[in-house]
Amino acid sequence: AQSVTQLGSHVSVSEGALVLLRCNYSSSVPPYLFWYVQYPNQGLQLLLKYTTGATLVKGINGFEAEFNKSQTSFHLRKPSVHISDTAEYFCAVTNTNAGKSTFGDGTTLTVKP
Amino acid sequence: GAVVSQHPSWVICKSGTSVKIECRSLDFQATTMFWYRQFPKQSLMLMATSNEGSKATYEQGVEKDKFLINHASLTLSTLTVTSAHPEDSSFYICSAGTGAGEQYFGPGTRLTVT
Repeated sequence: AQSVTQLGSHVSVSEGALVLLRCNYSSSVPPYLFWYVQYPNQGLQLLLKYTTGATLVKGINGFEAEFNKSQTSFHLRKPSVHISDTAEYFCAVTNTNAGKSTFGDGTTLTVKP
Repeated sequence: GAVVSQHPSWVICKSGTSVKIECRSLDFQATTMFWYRQFPKQSLMLMATSNEGSKATYEQGVEKDKFLINHASLTLSTLTVTSAHPEDSSFYICSAGTGAGEQYFGPGTRLTVT
């Protein structure tokens, strides 16, 4: 079984600020972890992923995430956000055996001017 | 690379009719495709997993006879919503798996049943 918890359904920050979106997971097997972004009325776009190796993962648009096995976390951060980063962000864990992904409930990020 | 398309992007149909949604992997072969449903302001709910040439595996609570899934080739999967009703109105998203747990998502199809 696997699950994902995203802490904070809404996050609001000012442009240029650091943002941290939290994700904790549970998985019975070594997980693959993903962060996706969704803009209104669009599908999901992959921001970054962790499979194996280095725990700090860098993605597109200046985002990065760190895999922490002991804390079962995969938090997403960006040092300086832009208004265009306003969107819905989903954390997902994939069972590497079955290939099925479980998504968190999402975090709405609003970047204010 | 790894582009997934969906057609149509938006469809309105009358209650009682059927609607077919296509999901295509444009530049890669996908042995597995997933169909999700997303309600407004909510997360994605996995409906079913389809593997090329075999029957789809439906998640608990999803009606197999209502949501027909066909995965006829390595690049095409279809979802048919049969006898649609207003409560079937939703955003339907497909994804294609490349192995290694990664999925590439289509842009979604907005279904409105009147």
